[in-house]
Amino acid sequence: DSGVTQTPKHLITATGQRVTLRCSPRSGDLSVYWYQQSLDQGLQFLIQYYNGEERAKGNILERFSAQQFPDLHSELNLSSLELGDSALYFCASSVAGTVNNSPLHFGNGTRLTVT
Amino acid sequence: GNSVTQMEGPVTLSEEAFLTINCTYTATGYPSLFWYVQYPGEGLQLLLKATKADDKGSNKGFEATYRKETTSFHLEKGSVQVSDSAVYFCALIKTGANNLFFGTGTRLTVIP
Repeated sequence: DSGVTQTPKHLITATGQRVTLRCSPRSGDLSVYWYQQSLDQGLQFLIQYYNGEERAKGNILERFSAQQFPDLHSELNLSSLELGDSALYFCASSVAGTVNNSPLHFGNGTRLTVT
Repeated sequence: GNSVTQMEGPVTLSEEAFLTINCTYTATGYPSLFWYVQYPGEGLQLLLKATKADDKGSNKGFEATYRKETTSFHLEKGSVQVSDSAVYFCALIKTGANNLFFGTGTRLTVIP
């Protein structure tokens, strides 16, 4: 058990809809990272927050947004969903702001299916 | 740019066989290199890492050596077990950066 909790585990929704994925980091971790894992794109970094502030941005679409709350949990919002957004979305957390200083601990992911 | 190229799978081995999963990278500067493992239904777990040239990362019988001259970080294990069946990801990060670049993953299946 990594200590990172993601909810829900599975999500099925229709095109055009909006969903929110939630992540609770490991106790004591200040950084939260979001990754998208799809069959054709592999594992892609989306965005990182550190202690409530956006720290780094990757291949995140404009239709997607995220935030980290004062209690350090994070939410990833996906809107105007398309079939191609179907993927496994992972949250990871770490103590420090850079990966070199502390390893990432991954949650078990949220599997999103857009129909 | 930064990228990681991994040996394509799937790889199927018999128990106690020798494992090699190739990984080569392209990066500016001196990245740190990682191997992550993903067991069925779970998130990724850090398996081992190396932060500078000639470093050897090791864990649970797995090893990988950071070879700057060949820009490689091949994963090896002398004798695999059924419980090693998983997907293995090679990854890199530039010093001070915040995002890991992952390879596409290699699925390993070990049969008794």
